[in-house]
Amino acid sequence: EAGVAQSPRYKIIEKRQSVAFWCNPISGHATLYWYQQILGQGPKLLIQFQNNGVVDDSQLPKDRFSAERLKGVDSTLKIQPAKLEDSAVYLCASSLAQGHYEQYFGPGTRLTVT
Amino acid sequence: GESVGLHLPTLSVQEGDNSIINCAYSNSASDYFIWYKQESGKGPQFIIDIRSNMDKRQGQRVTVLLNKTVKHLSLQIAATQPGDSAVYFCAENIGGGSRLTFGEGTQLTVNP
Repeated sequence: EAGVAQSPRYKIIEKRQSVAFWCNPISGHATLYWYQQILGQGPKLLIQFQNNGVVDDSQLPKDRFSAERLKGVDSTLKIQPAKLEDSAVYLCASSLAQGHYEQYFGPGTRLTVT
Repeated sequence: GESVGLHLPTLSVQEGDNSIINCAYSNSASDYFIWYKQESGKGPQFIIDIRSNMDKRQGQRVTVLLNKTVKHLSLQIAATQPGDSAVYFCAENIGGGSRLTFGEGTQLTVNP
């Protein structure tokens, strides 16, 4: 079974630039999550999708972050404009459905904002 | 508010020894807990979970203990191997749904 795929693996941008991350969840998984993991900390949930609908985006900085999952499969997370404090690893995870607690994580995208 | 944290940021053990990684949580409404292992450059990997109506659960070489009285969770790894070297996170879920709140992690180093 293929795991969660993410791209790119690494990205370096200057502050005020824009960046987008892509995630392809495990086939058949209805729930998709984006997390931000700052170095030395645990992952923090940014947004959760159930199919193509948003379930929880309470911790998403909506003034600069946006995410979509238009067809209920792949998802993109965008930051515009980026700030220095956005430097982190962005993890995508998926689970079978809401209420299924076991989440499968992708390898993450390491973002460096200079 | 919700809070999951770890007592020790680092733990160093000898190969073959048993390891114990601790986690404290503050929300008594938490009903589900998971331990994840994260190796360098990889995403977190599920190890074992436990529901709040249990106090112990065993897997292959791992055991999770839950003490709801003192809001404490621990992960025990038997016969620790070099491949166990990683950062270990506990995570909690409150009130159903799928949202997990992660602690800050313990770096486990296994010395040969």
